Amino acid sequence: DVKVTQSSRYLVKRTGEKVFLECVQDMDHENMFWYRQDPGLGLRLIYFSYDVKMKEKGDIPEGYSVSREKKERFSLILESASTNQTSMYLCASSSTYGTQETQYFGPGTRLLVL
Amino acid sequence: GIQVEQSPPDLILQEGANSTLRCNFSDSVNNLQWFHQNPWGQLINLFYIPSGTKQNGRLSATTVATERYSLLYISSSQTTDSGVYFCAVAGTSGSRLTFGEGTQLTVNP
Repeated sequence: DVKVTQSSRYLVKRTGEKVFLECVQDMDHENMFWYRQDPGLGLRLIYFSYDVKMKEKGDIPEGYSVSREKKERFSLILESASTNQTSMYLCASSSTYGTQETQYFGPGTRLLVL
Repeated sequence: GIQVEQSPPDLILQEGANSTLRCNFSDSVNNLQWFHQNPWGQLINLFYIPSGTKQNGRLSATTVATERYSLLYISSSQTTDSGVYFCAVAGTSGSRLTFGEGTQLTVNP
Protein backbone atom coordinates (compact mmCIF):
# COMPACT_ATOMS: atom_id res chain seq x y z
CA ASP A 1 0.00 0.00 0.00
CA VAL A 2 1.04 3.56 -0.67
CA LYS A 3 2.01 5.43 2.44
CA VAL A 4 2.12 9.21 2.65
CA THR A 5 3.24 10.64 5.96
CA GLN A 6 3.24 14.21 7.26
CA SER A 7 5.57 15.46 9.94
CA SER A 8 2.94 16.72 12.38
CA ARG A 9 -0.76 16.15 12.97
CA TYR A 10 -1.16 19.37 14.95
CA LEU A 11 0.99 22.49 14.97
CA VAL A 12 0.68 25.82 16.76
CA LYS A 13 2.82 28.74 15.59
CA ARG A 14 2.97 32.47 16.14
CA THR A 15 2.44 35.18 13.54
CA GLY A 16 5.65 35.90 11.67
CA GLU A 17 7.30 32.55 12.34
CA LYS A 18 8.75 30.50 9.50
CA VAL A 19 6.92 27.17 9.33
CA PHE A 20 8.01 23.94 7.64
CA LEU A 21 5.55 21.17 6.81
CA GLU A 22 7.14 17.94 5.64
CA CYS A 23 5.62 15.21 3.51
CA VAL A 24 7.18 11.86 2.64
CA GLN A 25 5.88 9.13 0.34
CA ASP A 26 7.27 5.64 0.04
CA MET A 27 6.05 4.55 -3.41
CA ASP A 28 8.52 6.31 -5.70
CA HIS A 29 5.80 8.59 -7.05
CA GLU A 30 6.87 11.33 -9.44
CA ASN A 31 4.13 13.76 -8.45
CA MET A 32 3.48 15.41 -5.12
CA PHE A 33 0.93 18.01 -4.09
CA TRP A 34 0.14 20.37 -1.25
CA TYR A 35 -3.47 21.40 -0.58
CA ARG A 36 -5.16 23.40 2.09
CA GLN A 37 -8.68 22.64 3.25
CA ASP A 38 -10.99 25.23 4.76
CA PRO A 39 -14.67 24.90 5.70
CA GLY A 40 -16.96 25.58 2.75
CA LEU A 41 -14.06 25.84 0.29
CA GLY A 42 -13.10 22.23 -0.30
CA LEU A 43 -9.48 21.46 -1.12
CA ARG A 44 -7.41 24.08 -2.89
CA LEU A 45 -4.07 23.37 -4.53
CA ILE A 46 -1.15 25.42 -3.23
CA TYR A 47 1.84 23.93 -5.10
CA PHE A 48 2.71 20.72 -6.86
CA SER A 49 5.83 19.03 -8.16
CA TYR A 50 6.17 16.52 -10.98
CA ASP A 51 9.86 15.78 -10.47
CA VAL A 52 12.78 16.42 -8.17
CA LYS A 53 13.65 20.12 -8.00
CA MET A 54 10.60 20.95 -10.12
CA LYS A 55 7.65 22.94 -8.80
CA GLU A 56 4.52 24.53 -10.18
CA LYS A 57 2.17 27.05 -8.60
CA GLY A 58 -1.33 25.92 -7.85
CA ASP A 59 -4.37 28.07 -7.28
CA ILE A 60 -3.31 29.80 -4.06
CA PRO A 61 0.53 29.97 -3.87
CA GLU A 62 0.80 33.39 -2.24
CA GLY A 63 2.57 33.28 1.09
CA TYR A 64 3.94 29.79 0.49
CA SER A 65 7.00 28.19 -1.06
CA VAL A 66 8.03 24.56 -1.56
CA SER A 67 11.14 22.45 -1.79
CA ARG A 68 11.70 19.08 -3.39
CA GLU A 69 15.32 18.03 -3.06
CA LYS A 70 14.57 14.30 -3.01
CA LYS A 71 11.92 12.37 -4.89
CA GLU A 72 10.21 11.07 -1.76
CA ARG A 73 10.04 14.36 0.14
CA PHE A 74 8.04 17.52 -0.56
CA SER A 75 8.18 20.40 1.90
CA LEU A 76 5.77 23.30 2.25
CA ILE A 77 7.19 26.49 3.73
CA LEU A 78 5.27 29.38 5.20
CA GLU A 79 7.82 32.18 5.00
CA SER A 80 6.10 34.37 7.59
CA ALA A 81 3.02 32.73 9.06
CA SER A 82 -0.16 34.77 9.28
CA THR A 83 -3.46 34.06 11.00
CA ASN A 84 -5.21 33.56 7.65
CA GLN A 85 -2.95 30.57 7.07
CA THR A 86 -4.64 28.71 9.91
CA SER A 87 -5.96 25.67 8.10
CA MET A 88 -5.74 21.94 7.46
CA TYR A 89 -2.83 21.12 5.15
CA LEU A 90 -2.93 17.94 3.10
CA CYS A 91 -0.14 16.36 1.11
CA ALA A 92 -0.75 13.90 -1.72
CA SER A 93 1.24 11.90 -4.22
CA SER A 94 0.55 10.12 -7.48
CA SER A 95 2.51 8.22 -10.06
CA THR A 96 1.32 10.02 -13.20
CA TYR A 97 0.34 13.64 -13.21
CA GLY A 98 -3.28 14.39 -14.17
CA THR A 99 -3.95 11.17 -16.03
CA GLN A 100 -4.43 7.59 -15.04
CA GLU A 101 -3.30 7.32 -11.47
CA THR A 102 -5.09 8.19 -8.29
CA GLN A 103 -3.86 10.59 -5.65
CA TYR A 104 -2.95 9.21 -2.24
CA PHE A 105 -3.23 11.53 0.74
CA GLY A 106 -1.38 11.91 4.00
CA PRO A 107 -3.25 12.27 7.32
CA GLY A 108 -3.11 16.07 7.26
CA THR A 109 -1.59 18.75 9.49
CA ARG A 110 -3.89 21.09 11.40
CA LEU A 111 -2.01 24.37 11.70
CA LEU A 112 -3.08 27.11 14.07
CA VAL A 113 -1.35 30.49 13.72
CA LEU A 114 -1.80 32.76 16.72
CA GLY B 1 -10.97 26.60 -15.08
CA ILE B 2 -13.23 23.62 -14.71
CA GLN B 3 -16.07 23.91 -12.21
CA VAL B 4 -17.23 21.06 -9.97
CA GLU B 5 -20.56 21.05 -8.15
CA GLN B 6 -21.59 18.39 -5.66
CA SER B 7 -25.04 17.71 -4.29
CA PRO B 8 -26.50 17.50 -1.79
CA PRO B 9 -24.18 19.45 0.51
CA ASP B 10 -25.48 17.55 3.54
CA LEU B 11 -27.17 14.20 3.92
CA ILE B 12 -28.43 12.44 7.04
CA LEU B 13 -29.38 8.76 6.87
CA GLN B 14 -30.43 5.96 9.14
CA GLU B 15 -28.18 2.93 9.13
CA GLY B 16 -29.20 0.54 6.36
CA ALA B 17 -30.50 3.21 3.98
CA ASN B 18 -29.24 3.75 0.45
CA SER B 19 -28.05 7.06 -0.98
CA THR B 20 -26.88 8.72 -4.17
CA LEU B 21 -24.36 11.55 -4.32
CA ARG B 22 -23.97 13.62 -7.46
CA CYS B 23 -21.05 15.45 -9.05
CA ASN B 24 -21.55 17.81 -12.01
CA PHE B 25 -18.60 19.23 -13.91
CA SER B 26 -18.40 21.99 -16.47
CA ASP B 27 -16.03 20.59 -19.10
CA SER B 28 -14.66 17.37 -20.54
CA VAL B 29 -12.48 15.42 -18.15
CA ASN B 30 -9.80 12.76 -18.41
CA ASN B 31 -9.62 12.10 -14.71
CA LEU B 32 -12.40 11.85 -12.13
CA GLN B 33 -11.94 10.53 -8.63
CA TRP B 34 -14.20 10.06 -5.62
CA PHE B 35 -12.71 10.37 -2.14
CA HIS B 36 -14.00 9.78 1.38
CA GLN B 37 -12.68 11.92 4.22
CA ASN B 38 -13.22 10.31 7.61
CA PRO B 39 -13.95 12.35 10.76
CA TRP B 40 -10.21 12.40 11.58
CA GLY B 41 -9.39 14.10 8.29
CA GLN B 42 -7.87 11.23 6.30
CA LEU B 43 -8.85 11.18 2.62
CA ILE B 44 -9.16 7.77 1.02
CA ASN B 45 -9.55 7.27 -2.69
CA LEU B 46 -12.73 5.33 -3.49
CA PHE B 47 -12.80 5.28 -7.28
CA TYR B 48 -10.87 6.45 -10.30
CA ILE B 49 -13.71 6.73 -12.82
CA PRO B 50 -13.49 9.19 -15.74
CA SER B 51 -16.16 7.15 -17.51
CA GLY B 52 -18.22 4.01 -17.05
CA THR B 53 -19.28 2.13 -13.94
CA LYS B 54 -17.33 0.52 -11.12
CA GLN B 55 -18.32 -1.30 -7.97
CA ASN B 56 -16.48 -2.00 -4.75
CA GLY B 57 -18.55 -3.79 -2.13
CA ARG B 58 -21.44 -1.57 -1.04
CA LEU B 59 -20.14 1.35 -3.08
CA SER B 60 -20.50 1.90 -6.77
CA ALA B 61 -19.94 4.83 -9.10
CA THR B 62 -21.07 5.80 -12.57
CA THR B 63 -19.71 8.60 -14.73
CA VAL B 64 -21.55 9.76 -17.85
CA ALA B 65 -18.81 11.81 -19.43
CA THR B 66 -20.92 13.03 -22.35
CA GLU B 67 -23.42 14.56 -19.93
CA ARG B 68 -20.74 15.74 -17.49
CA TYR B 69 -21.84 14.11 -14.29
CA SER B 70 -20.89 11.31 -11.95
CA LEU B 71 -22.89 9.49 -9.29
CA LEU B 72 -21.70 7.70 -6.18
CA TYR B 73 -24.05 5.08 -4.75
CA ILE B 74 -23.85 3.88 -1.18
CA SER B 75 -26.03 0.90 -0.32
CA SER B 76 -26.92 -0.43 3.13
CA SER B 77 -25.13 2.48 4.76
CA GLN B 78 -23.18 1.99 7.99
CA THR B 79 -22.11 4.49 10.65
CA THR B 80 -18.54 4.13 9.41
CA ASP B 81 -19.63 5.63 6.08
CA SER B 82 -20.01 9.00 7.80
CA GLY B 83 -17.70 11.75 6.66
CA VAL B 84 -17.26 14.00 3.66
CA TYR B 85 -17.34 12.69 0.12
CA PHE B 86 -15.38 14.63 -2.48
CA CYS B 87 -15.46 14.48 -6.24
CA ALA B 88 -12.33 15.73 -8.03
CA VAL B 89 -11.72 16.13 -11.76
CA ALA B 90 -8.96 17.02 -14.18
CA GLY B 91 -9.68 18.41 -17.63
CA THR B 92 -8.46 17.05 -20.96
CA SER B 93 -5.70 19.66 -21.10
CA GLY B 94 -3.95 17.64 -18.43
CA SER B 95 -4.57 20.11 -15.63
CA ARG B 96 -4.42 19.13 -12.02
CA LEU B 97 -7.39 17.93 -9.95
CA THR B 98 -10.11 20.39 -9.03
CA PHE B 99 -12.18 19.39 -6.02
CA GLY B 100 -15.84 19.98 -5.36
CA GLU B 101 -16.95 21.29 -1.98
CA GLY B 102 -18.03 17.87 -0.84
CA THR B 103 -21.11 16.15 0.57
CA GLN B 104 -21.23 15.78 4.35
CA LEU B 105 -22.81 12.40 5.11
CA THR B 106 -24.01 11.44 8.58
CA VAL B 107 -25.25 7.90 9.17
CA ASN B 108 -27.12 7.47 12.44
CA PRO B 109 -27.40 4.10 14.22
